[in-house]
Amino acid sequence: ILNVEQSPQSLHVQEGDSTNFTCSFPSSNFYALHWYRWETAKSPEALFVMTLNGDEKKKGRISATLNTKEGYSYLYIKGSQPEDSATYLCAFLRGGADGLTFGKGTHLIIQP
Amino acid sequence: GAVVSQHPSWVICKSGTSVKIECRSLDFQATTMFWYRQFPKQSLMLMATSNEGSKATYEQGVEKDKFLINHASLTLSTLTVTSAHPEDSSFYICSAPRGPPWEQFFGPGTRLTVL
Repeated sequence: ILNVEQSPQSLHVQEGDSTNFTCSFPSSNFYALHWYRWETAKSPEALFVMTLNGDEKKKGRISATLNTKEGYSYLYIKGSQPEDSATYLCAFLRGGADGLTFGKGTHLIIQP
Repeated sequence: GAVVSQHPSWVICKSGTSVKIECRSLDFQATTMFWYRQFPKQSLMLMATSNEGSKATYEQGVEKDKFLINHASLTLSTLTVTSAHPEDSSFYICSAPRGPPWEQFFGPGTRLTVL
């Protein structure tokens, strides 16, 4: 059974502050690590698909790093804004044609 | 990004009835689609892989006779919950991968409540 863990489960951050959270995943049989942003009543939206050890990807104020040897990824949000409030999911992909194994998510609330 | 639609967004049904959920890729073809479900305070769990033109493959513990999957075209997969019971009440969501790098595009999900 694949185990993907995310921490913390929830996070309250003041507007303007930066924050980060963690995803740990199996370090064997790795194909890719996905990060999704999921707002209530909407479809999960892909943020990053990370495949290479040492990868660092950035989209605006959000960035992510990947360590496949030790099995963890960090997601960083710089200068949090209210619209960043969402649940952030990471998901492990063992093979290209496989379904994803998800963590439970980090529920982020940005307080004005 | 690509768009995946899912209908209905919510459904309430009586115990013993069957419910069909549709998942459509609107702007790309998907030979494979995935069905997930999420129980309260749990993660999204893969139920099955829907394959166009062939049988679906089910994850361990998912009853194939209860959750019928049909992938009749390159843009449509359906999940039918047969003889639904209250324990089938859950959030069901589909996705279609595109790539490599196999980014998955999700529908908005279906909230099923079985009375």
